[in-house]
Amino acid sequence: DAGVIQSPRHEVTEMGQEVTLRCKPISGHDYLFWYRQTMMRGLELLIYFNNNVPIDDSGMPEDRFSAKMPNASFSTLKIQPSEPRDSAVYFCASNRQGAGETQYFGPGTRLLVL
Amino acid sequence: GIQVEQSPPDLILQEGANSTLRCNFSDSVNNLQWFHQNPWGQLINLFYIPSGTKQNGRLSATTVATERYSLLYISSSQTTDSGVYFCAVGDSNYQLIWGAGTKLIIKP
Repeated sequence: DAGVIQSPRHEVTEMGQEVTLRCKPISGHDYLFWYRQTMMRGLELLIYFNNNVPIDDSGMPEDRFSAKMPNASFSTLKIQPSEPRDSAVYFCASNRQGAGETQYFGPGTRLLVL
Repeated sequence: GIQVEQSPPDLILQEGANSTLRCNFSDSVNNLQWFHQNPWGQLINLFYIPSGTKQNGRLSATTVATERYSLLYISSSQTTDSGVYFCAVGDSNYQLIWGAGTKLIIKP
């Protein structure tokens, strides 16, 4: 299995621009998670999906952030408009429904908003 | 909510040494995971261990759920073990509370 795939790996953009991060979970995994990691706040869960349905988005910082999962093999995290304080590493992770197992992380997208 | 504390925050060791990392948590959990974040930023799952003991090569982990702590042991450290080790806990497979991590540096 290829593992969790994220794109792009690096993104540099200017304040005010729209940013779209992409994630392909491991095939057969029913749960998908979006995390943000910063030096100040560590790892934060932003939102997670079960069977393509958003279950808990309480970690989404504000309305500028939105996430979708149109099918079992694809999810996006969008920031519009982006701000310098959104600079962070964004991770996507997945695991199987009902299984007592760990979450499998993608390589992350390193976002820099100038 | 559940609080997670990891110790020590930083650890510098010579190659070949053994180390023990600790994770304390404030409430009952049925999900505890150890991760290694390597110097390139990749998060790698090491153990899913809500209770008991597991071993994988030079790494092993023990969770004593009744006493609310978990230990990660690294034996015969190698430079490739460097990075940050995270403990994450929760009451489900989905909502994880993350510790601040232990930064481990293994010197050649």
